[in-house]
This record gives sequence, structure tokens and C-alpha cells, in this order.
Amino acid sequence: QVQLQESGPGLVKPSETLSLTCAVSGYSITSGYYWGWIRQPPGKGLEWIGSIYHDGPTYYNPSFESRATVSVDTSKNQFSLELNSVTAADTAVYHCARRTEDYYASGNYYRGGHFDYWGQGTLVTVSS
Amino acid sequence: DIQMTQSPSTLSASVGDRVTITCRAGQSISTWLAWYQQKPGKAPKLLIYKASTLQIGVPSRFSGSGSGTEFTLTISSLQPDDFATYYCQQYNFYSPLTFGGGTKVEIK
Repeated sequence: QVQLQESGPGLVKPSETLSLTCAVSGYSITSGYYWGWIRQPPGKGLEWIGSIYHDGPTYYNPSFESRATVSVDTSKNQFSLELNSVTAADTAVYHCARRTEDYYASGNYYRGGHFDYWGQGTLVTVSS
Repeated sequence: DIQMTQSPSTLSASVGDRVTITCRAGQSISTWLAWYQQKPGKAPKLLIYKASTLQIGVPSRFSGSGSGTEFTLTISSLQPDDFATYYCQQYNFYSPLTFGGGTKVEIK
């Protein structure tokens, strides 16, 4: 059973850097898939931040590209998010998730891009 | 960005009701659409991908349909465990992946 668990500070000061880690169990990151971060401001919807492939290529939402860095630590089977220059608008529950890859099954092509396993999420509040 | 618009934003229904949620994409996304269920304080749960393929373990009362720009999620007979918020997500266009605003299904 694949499980993801976010960890990191629950309170970050404005203009500082938000740093979160997602520990993956039940699956080796090096075996494949993309690994990503999605956030959810209080009472609002879901917003994709960025994803990383197991061997390094990263993909970001243009809205975050200048501030976000997603990295992977295969030795610890975990991946991380750094979001710099945070403001109150970055207050949200941050989820990590596994994103599917393209694949073929029974002769049919399946485009990857949906998220099949998620972490519970961690609330990060930006406040002084 | 591909805008994903869900309707209604809130839906009141009773156990046993047939429920339909609509998701519209700002441009054609073929069938590259997923549906998720989220309960308060919990992670979203994948229900359906490729517009109509049921994720393993999801009850058959859930079904999805549509292609292009209009999609529906149907719950054939609403159960007490189904009261939650539902989100659609497009993955035809990767930059960025986008979600709908959500539909809250509440008890009538």
C-alpha cells in the first residue's frame, strides 16, 4: 500500500521560505511515476504547484515557477517542496501526491497526469 | 490555463437519490479528466480517470462520462458515505494541471 506523509513547519513568517517534505512508503520513488505538490487554501479548491520525475526533471505551474523548487532524495525515498518569499496568500493545506505516467494497457494508450495516491495534507500558516 | 468549471457548487440530496455533477473545460481535453472525492480534513481520493474509468476499489454506483469539454460524474444511489466535496481535474494540458472549483454534496 502506497502511503505519503507530509512534514514541516506549520507556521512560516512572511517573506521567508516554506519547506515541506513528503515521505513515501510502500513504493520506491526510483521505480517511476511523478511526485508532486498540490495546495488548498482554507475553504477553497485545489491548486497544482509542481511535480518531479523520479530521475529529476521538474515541472511547475507557471504561477509558482519563480518561487517553487521541488526536489527528490532517493536515498530517503522522499521529495520536498520549497516555496520562497511567502505571503499570507500562501496559507493553505499542502498535499503531496503521486502523479501517473503515460502507459499502455490492453493495447490502449492512457495519458498520465492524474493523482492516484495523496498524503493527508499539512496546514501551513503564513503569519508574523 | 485551462479553466475547469463545476456545477452546481453545492448540491443538497437525500440517501438513495441519483446525483449528477457537471464539469466543463475551457477547451477540449479529449477524455483526459479525473474525478476526486474529498471529505473534511482528508486527502482527495481518486474515483475516476480517463473520464469514465473507475479506479480500483471504487463502488460501481459512481460513473463518469463525457469527452471534449463537457463531463459528468453520476452517483446512481447516494449513500451516507458519499456526502463530500467532489473535484474534477484535467490532464490534457500539463502546464498547468488544473482542477475544478468543487461541488459539495450535502444532506437535504
